[in-house]
Amino acid sequence: EVQVLESGGGLVQPGGSLTLSCAASGFIFSRYAMSWVRQAPGKGLEWVSTFSGATTTTYYADSVKGRFTISRDNSKSTLYLQMNSLRAEDTAVYYCAKMAGHPYYSYYMDVWGKGTTVTVSS
Amino acid sequence: QSVLTQPPSVSGAPGQRVTISCTGSSSNIGAGSDVHWYQHFPGIVPKLLIYVNSNRPSGVPDRFSGSKSGTSASLTISGLQAEDEADYYCQTFDHSLNGYVFGPGTKVTVL
Repeated sequence: EVQVLESGGGLVQPGGSLTLSCAASGFIFSRYAMSWVRQAPGKGLEWVSTFSGATTTTYYADSVKGRFTISRDNSKSTLYLQMNSLRAEDTAVYYCAKMAGHPYYSYYMDVWGKGTTVTVSS
Repeated sequence: QSVLTQPPSVSGAPGQRVTISCTGSSSNIGAGSDVHWYQHFPGIVPKLLIYVNSNRPSGVPDRFSGSKSGTSASLTISGLQAEDEADYYCQTFDHSLNGYVFGPGTKVTVL
């Protein structure tokens, strides 16, 4: 079964850091782009970042550029999101999603994890 | 604010047809980026509903259909059912932002 499972969420103070992980299984991880999507309380879905599958190209939303870093370890089938300089507005459920489609401007999220909650508060 | 526009809400009686629009621009939908749709029940994992404008993943009822034209796309639910009450999001790639974008979401209410 194709699945992804997030971990690493928690409570962190403003200005702090946190790293999320996403363990994938059931598919050849290295072949697929992977993304992080978040949903803040009472808000809609917001794309955060994508790491391509075939290349090392990364994409970031303007709201996190310069603060968040996406990475992947294909040997462990794991995606990461290093979040620095966290703000209250980063409070959200963070979903990991497997991307499908081709080319990159046609990518869509076909498999989603259950999400992990990040709360930024003092 | 999203670069995509969706109506905040649509409603219909059971059995009716409702359509949700997703309006973009020449830097995303109009530039050839495909549009995808997701169904999201609060507290539940989002689900891919339509991919590449008009394709349904296995298991998605055929009452859900999608289309794309120019700088816009739409999701139609034909034969609305109570279980369709959820939030619906369109998603595409924006070449100016060099990133993926979601619409603000549309809440579907079954009267």
